[in-house]
Amino acid sequence: NAGVTQTPKFRILKIGQSMTLQCTQDMNHNYMYWYRQDPGMGLKLIYYSVGAGITDKGEVPNGYNVSRSTTEDFPLRLELAAPSQTSVYFCASTPTSGTSSYEQYFGPGTRLTVT
Amino acid sequence: GENVEQHPSTLSVQEGDSAVIKCTYSDSASNYFPWYKQELGKRPQLIIDIRSNVGEKKDQRIAVTLNKTAKHFSLHITETQPEDTAVYFCAASKESGNTPLVFGKGTRLSVIA
Repeated sequence: NAGVTQTPKFRILKIGQSMTLQCTQDMNHNYMYWYRQDPGMGLKLIYYSVGAGITDKGEVPNGYNVSRSTTEDFPLRLELAAPSQTSVYFCASTPTSGTSSYEQYFGPGTRLTVT
Repeated sequence: GENVEQHPSTLSVQEGDSAVIKCTYSDSASNYFPWYKQELGKRPQLIIDIRSNVGEKKDQRIAVTLNKTAKHFSLHITETQPEDTAVYFCAASKESGNTPLVFGKGTRLSVIA
């Protein structure tokens, strides 16, 4: 298994541009999450999904959108990039309920700079 | 909603000494408490977790204790080594994937050789 993969690894955007951060997992996990981590700070939840077709807002959803059309993919969309969105973005997934583990498996992250 | 406080924000120890990181949580319904380690430039990885039906769990040099009454839990690392240098995050949630983890702000641990 590749686990959780994210693309791109790095990206520089100009203010006002749009982009999609890709996240894919091959572990058949129903639950998926997007976090941002600002320099020297903790993880803040942006959006999460408990299954295909279901998404919900986290702590800091403004400026972002998500979709979940398949179990494997959970893309994060930035519509009008702002300098405040400069951060490292982590995608994560968790096994379905009923298992003994709720470990979150993180992807390698996408480092985004908006200038 | 849940709120997780973590202390200290930075911690330096001599190699071989012990390190203790403490977290408090606010929601008495939370029952799952994992700890993640994040090395510089890497992704967070689970190192140990504890559920509210036990008070302590140990895995080699790492242990976690939980006090449900006081709503706090702690990470203990004994015989620290340079490779323990990292940022450590505590988290709390109700034990289901549709209740997201709430993370503490992290503790930057430096182990000095």
